Amino acid sequence: DGGITQSPKYLFRKEGQNVTLSCEQNLNHDAMYWYRQDPGQGLRLIYYSQIVNDFQKGDIAEGYSVSREKKESFPLTVTSAQKNPTAFYLCASSALPGQGETQYFGPGTRLLVL
Amino acid sequence: AQSVSQHNHHVILSEAASLELGCNYSYGGTVNLFWYVQYPGQHLQLLLKYFSGDPLVKGIKGFEAEFIKSKFSFNLRKPSVQWSDTAEYFCAVKVSSGGSYIPTFGRGTSLIVHP
Repeated sequence: DGGITQSPKYLFRKEGQNVTLSCEQNLNHDAMYWYRQDPGQGLRLIYYSQIVNDFQKGDIAEGYSVSREKKESFPLTVTSAQKNPTAFYLCASSALPGQGETQYFGPGTRLLVL
Repeated sequence: AQSVSQHNHHVILSEAASLELGCNYSYGGTVNLFWYVQYPGQHLQLLLKYFSGDPLVKGIKGFEAEFIKSKFSFNLRKPSVQWSDTAEYFCAVKVSSGGSYIPTFGRGTSLIVHP
């Protein structure tokens, strides 16, 4: 059963702590993406990666970091430098970062800062 | 940078009513256009997409969208909505940027269909 898994579904963090969100895909996709979804603001791109060991900043990368050591994995770390981290985080992948390629999304992780 | 505007943030309809959700983008070159849907409690998934060819695109569940290049628009339509169409709908645009095609999403439209 192919798809994208994100864990955990809910994550609580104390202020000042870093936290890492997991994203794994078994679709053999080259490209992976992280989005942040806030009510009324749609999806905003945090980071994306088109190939292993390479990634680029999206529109709102400040306070976040990523790694792409394996094709199937693209974890996102929310650092203490992110001033407003409470949000719903979506991971996605696509076969190639090409024109017509569809993105496939995971179920999301909701992060709450206490 | 390109931007995507979805004019209707919240839409409430009765079953069997017709639906049209607006999507406009700001980019003068070649674009690829998508509509994604997020049903309550489910993953965001593709509804339909335009890549090239016929500007009238048909998607799943009776949805269609028309690409009008002169109006920079890609409006989503359905002639008769059902309660199960209650969801959030996102328009997305892909343009070329240094050889990559990274999508930009609109803010989304929340659709509620009541019986």
